[in-house]
Amino acid sequence: EAQVTQNPRYLITVTGKKLTVTCSQNMNHEYMSWYRQDPGLGLRQIYYSMNVEVTDKGDVPEGYKVSRKEKRNFPLILESPSPNQTSLYFCASRSYEQYFGPGTRLTVT
Amino acid sequence: GENVEQHPSTLSVQEGDSAVIKCTYSDSASNYFPWYKQELGKRPQLIIDIRSNVGEKKDQRIAVTLNKTAKHFSLHITETQPEDSAVYFCAASKGSGTYKYIFGTGTRLKVLA
Repeated sequence: EAQVTQNPRYLITVTGKKLTVTCSQNMNHEYMSWYRQDPGLGLRQIYYSMNVEVTDKGDVPEGYKVSRKEKRNFPLILESPSPNQTSLYFCASRSYEQYFGPGTRLTVT
Repeated sequence: GENVEQHPSTLSVQEGDSAVIKCTYSDSASNYFPWYKQELGKRPQLIIDIRSNVGEKKDQRIAVTLNKTAKHFSLHITETQPEDSAVYFCAASKGSGTYKYIFGTGTRLKVLA
């Protein structure tokens, strides 16, 4: 089954504790992306990657890092999470159309 | 900076009526305009998209129109049904070479039975 998976689905953490949200796709897509979704603000792109070892900033990259060492994986790294990074995060990949993962709800206290 | 404005933020229609959601984009280089539907607690899913070389596209009860001169595009849903109730997002992208997406803030559509 073609899919985008994210882990964990839910995470509660404390300010400053480094965390990684994993994203994996099995569709051999070159393009992958991370978004955050906040009430009233819609979806905002954090980072995207056109291919292995190629990443670019989206609209809201501050406080986030990504890496693309393999085509199928695109982890999102928060080196020092802060409460304003509490949000719902979606990973996506695309060939023609964009497929979203199930989302990761992150709470930073 | 680049932005996409989406209106209205909420929309209630009677079952069987039509619904129209409008988006305006700022970057004239945008050439790909997808629409996503997000049901409560679910992930966004593409429902229709249009590229800048086309003025209108239709898929059963859903249609999208694009006016490049005015830099706006609209989603039209006819004969609405309760299962159309969801949040709808428009987006704009420059397409080939880069896939930076700018999303609208969403429209919550309620179809009243």
